[in-house]
Amino acid sequence: KNEVEQSPQNLTAQEGEFITINCSYSVGISALHWLQQHPGGGIVSLFMLSSGKKKHGRLIATINIQEKHSSLHITASHPRDSAVYICAVRSPTGNQFYFGTGTSLTVIP
Amino acid sequence: EPEVTQTPSHQVTQMGQEVILRCVPISNHLYFYWYRQILGQKVEFLVSFYNNEISEKSEIFDDQFSVERPDGSNFTLKIRSTKLEDSAMYFCASSGGRGGPLHFGNGTRLTVT
Repeated sequence: KNEVEQSPQNLTAQEGEFITINCSYSVGISALHWLQQHPGGGIVSLFMLSSGKKKHGRLIATINIQEKHSSLHITASHPRDSAVYICAVRSPTGNQFYFGTGTSLTVIP
Repeated sequence: EPEVTQTPSHQVTQMGQEVILRCVPISNHLYFYWYRQILGQKVEFLVSFYNNEISEKSEIFDDQFSVERPDGSNFTLKIRSTKLEDSAMYFCASSGGRGGPLHFGNGTRLTVT
């Protein structure tokens, strides 16, 4: 049973394209995190959100609590955006996390 | 910018041996976490720790695992008797508040032979 589902699993885009990665979850949450995992394995937190929308540079994250769905958008994609993007949800207690399997993004110059 | 540091970056051990993975969280953070990622699989939550005790643990975190904050700076994960299936990347993370953003270390790659 997967508490968090991401789509697509793999995504290849041309530089400059607008990219959307989707995340659906089936459990109650206190927050949803979008993480970026680089080819070397390191993980960076991009966003933490519990409602609405957040923007940081070319990245936008939205969440719809009623529909249990979140999206991560990348505008004007660049090869350096190539990474695995992971959706993770935090339990209502705040102490437990469930992770999606990740979306592997490759941006071609 | 302060960061979470993990040592060693790579550890190789024989099956049955004990290993201790070390993490230094960001200094004013209060919440600490361990995660693992088996090669090719998704990240999995192991345990959260606050106020010198475990807040929550997953099914993976059985009796062979333990965590400790032995002093004011280190946060360790001990695996008592390693198995082949413990081979994975282990990530430490910390946050300043229970609902705060997570800051990850670069991970320790554990290889059990």
